[in-house]
Amino acid sequence: EIVLTQSPGTLSLSPGERATLSCRASQSLSRTYFAWYQQKPGQAPRLLIYGASNRATGIPDRFSGSGSGTDFTLTISRLEPEDFAVYYCQQYVSSPYTFGQGTNLEIK
Amino acid sequence: EVQLVESGGGLVKPGGSLRLSCVGSDFIFSSYTMTWVRQTPGKGLEWVSSISSGSTYISYADSVKGRFTISRENSKNSLFLQMDSLRAEDTGVYYCARDVELQVWPTHGMDVWGQGTTVSVSS
Repeated sequence: EIVLTQSPGTLSLSPGERATLSCRASQSLSRTYFAWYQQKPGQAPRLLIYGASNRATGIPDRFSGSGSGTDFTLTISRLEPEDFAVYYCQQYVSSPYTFGQGTNLEIK
Repeated sequence: EVQLVESGGGLVKPGGSLRLSCVGSDFIFSSYTMTWVRQTPGKGLEWVSSISSGSTYISYADSVKGRFTISRENSKNSLFLQMDSLRAEDTGVYYCARDVELQVWPTHGMDVWGQGTTVSVSS
């Protein structure tokens, strides 16, 4: 099983700041099979990034994904109030298609 | 509007069974890999099972293998999850989700999600 470890567990920032979220895999991944999601309380997850760097439909360009191999990054260039949420990475290289444990992005 | 609607959740005793359903609308259901994901209370997301567009390929999480069965009926735009031998640790919100791209396996990401249906396993 591929383990995804997200860091930090909690990130406290202010609106307007830049957020950098990390996801490290226990083995090398193809970029094609890597995604990032945002989840707010009481809501279903929302796809932000697929293929490691492709923004999903309707996702603002302040969200960007990068990385390869075992290290992937989600960057939010300038935080808006609606961006404070929990973020998950997921891999689809091999079953089980594991999620990371999440990063809670909270308002400082 | 493209959407998925789940149903079938409820309260069941350990060892019992439930069948979840998910109906898609306003997209070509038969062209997409579909997935079930669950979220246990206070915890993160857990991938449960995926099925390819034509049901050729199916995968399960180890935690549900042998107990859960995923299936689909494309003529009715429907996805199912038959859950048998339920355990307390199966309690959570179950989401169905659609792949972001057509005719791929495994999924490349899930861009349309249902609202979730709640499963509670307790005596």
